[in-house]
Amino acid sequence: QVQLQQWGAGLLKPSETLSLTCAVYGGSLSNYYWTWIRQPPGKGLEWIGEINHSGSATYNPSLKGRVTISADMSKNQFSLKLTSVAAADTAVYYCAGALLTGGHWGQGTQVTVSS
Amino acid sequence: SSELTQDPVVSVALGQTVRITCQGDSLRNYYATWYQQKPGQAPVLVIFGENRRPSGIPDRFSVSSSGNTASLTITGAQAEDDADYYCISRDSSGDQVIFGGGTKLTVL
Repeated sequence: QVQLQQWGAGLLKPSETLSLTCAVYGGSLSNYYWTWIRQPPGKGLEWIGEINHSGSATYNPSLKGRVTISADMSKNQFSLKLTSVAAADTAVYYCAGALLTGGHWGQGTQVTVSS
Repeated sequence: SSELTQDPVVSVALGQTVRITCQGDSLRNYYATWYQQKPGQAPVLVIFGENRRPSGIPDRFSVSSSGNTASLTITGAQAEDDADYYCISRDSSGDQVIFGGGTKLTVL
């Protein structure tokens, strides 16, 4: 049973960098694609990007180069960095594995951007 | 195409059958994956591929597709099916993942 546990800062000021990490238990980063998703308050789900088993990442173009997803194979963890955050980045952020075929999700992290 | 379109709101009487649709050009080449989300909870995978349900998902959930439209059918809707439903797929290039806007299903 694959389980994901995520953590990171929940309150940021505008222009700061959002940083979240997701640890994978019961599975290996060498399998599946690993994804970050967010959900603004009262809105739908948005794909942020993913990293594959080779360490190659793909991102949502709407985030305009602000996002980086990386993986640490030795720790079986993957991470999200989003720079220059603004109020519009306020959302619940989720990590997930095998999004299209397995549906393994982290518990979600509420990130609020406020001055 | 980089869009998946869902009806925002759908309702169904308890015990009746309801279909939730998802439209997008990429669905001509890729299966839709369907998630259920209840308030305050992470989404739960309901069905993917050609009618593949994870363990624990009732068989009243099924999918079908035709052309650019994928459909999630709930046969005999139950009160616990009252939730938001999202379709997901690869975009036409296969490089990215796209989400539908979600359908709020109300079981009356």
